[in-house]
Order: sequence, then C-alpha cells, then structure tokens
Amino acid sequence: QSVLTQPPSISAAPGQRVTISCSGRTSNIGNNIVSWYQQLPGTAPKVVIYDNNKRPSGIPDRFSGSKSATSATLVITGLQPGDEADYYCGTWDSSLTAYVFGSGTKVTI
Amino acid sequence: EVQLVESGGVVVRPGGSLRLSCAASGFTLEDYTMHWIRQVPGKGLEWVSLISWSGRSTYYVDSVKGRFTISRDDRQNSLYLQMNSLTIDDSAFYYCAKVGRPQVIGPPDSWGRGTLVTVSS
Repeated sequence: QSVLTQPPSISAAPGQRVTISCSGRTSNIGNNIVSWYQQLPGTAPKVVIYDNNKRPSGIPDRFSGSKSATSATLVITGLQPGDEADYYCGTWDSSLTAYVFGSGTKVTI
Repeated sequence: EVQLVESGGVVVRPGGSLRLSCAASGFTLEDYTMHWIRQVPGKGLEWVSLISWSGRSTYYVDSVKGRFTISRDDRQNSLYLQMNSLTIDDSAFYYCAKVGRPQVIGPPDSWGRGTLVTVSS
C-alpha cells in the first residue's frame, strides 16, 4: 500500500483536461517538494513536473503542477493521444527517511 | 546528454546474491546523488535506495535494509547495488536515476532504461 494516494485511473477524450490528485501527509508532501513522473507503455519513467510546479525543458505547458498543504495535483490540458500513460507523484518522507511514490494513475484517452 | 545504463539483471535463485551496475555518462557523477528504484512488471514504482554525491549518506527502503548495499565509484562513473539474500519479492525491473541538481539530496530526475532481476527457483 502506497504512502501517497492517487486515483487508479482516469479516462478522458482528446482535447479535454484531466486532474490527477496525490494525497499524503505532513511528513511527506506537507514538508517536501513533489515531482510528477510520466511512464509511457514499455518505457522508463520521465519527470514532467519537479519542485511542485516546474516543467523540465521539452515538457509542454499543457502540463502543470501545484501543491497545497498535504496534497499535490497534476493537470493536463488539451489531452493528446501521446499523453496516454501512467503518472506517479513522488516526494521525500521525512518520517520514513525514504523517497515515496504514489500508487500511480493510468490516464486513458 | 545524460545517459544511465543499468546492467547485471539475471535470473537468480532465492537466497542468492547479485550486483547491479549503472554506467553514467554525460555528466559529472561525483556531483550528483543517485537513486535505485524498482518496478514489478505491470505494478507501481518502489524506491529502493539513494546515495549522496559524497557517498557519506545512504538510505534504504525498509524491505531491503540489511540485505542491499548501494555504492558508487566515481572514477569508474558507476553506481552499484549489491543485493543479498534475495527473495521472490525482489523480482522487478531496477532503474538507476540521478537527481536534478548537483550536491543536493533530491528527487530522481533522469532515469535509465532498467535491468530485469528475476528471483526464481
């Protein structure tokens, strides 16, 4: 059972907007920065959001992240077929002294 | 360009040992904290361990403490994971990853393609 809770799956049509939540606690999301990772089928994960809300170069501005208290959110707007993937949140947990990932959300388009 | 290439994944019997390697290029390894993360095919990500850029700090997920050891050889541009007393639950793809900024303990940023470890009798 993951320390960070995400919805298992979300389905949306091309062009629509999806919101993926990541719920934790003070010891993890509350006190540490959050990253979001995209894992396309058969490939390694790739960071799409770091430092709660920053996008690496090459990631379109359709991807945005935010954090409030003990929750984080990834929003993808203007969904494209290439966005179909598993998405994971991740952060450090100061109580566990371990990095923790969310349970993952499968986005189907 | 950052490149991370894992190797060493094989089929091993329960109770056996294995050492994974991660060859790093395109950046100065000695400046970066490094992670190992694993993933059972079709399942979610599980963080395994990290080693700070200096090598002085290491952390492990509880399930591998006392069995796995992370290490680095910056002169060889390599990261390692020594895995002992392997169990079936250790079967997974193992990824190495570097953090995004030098000389900080931070989140995984760039990932390798992974190497598959199968523990089976």
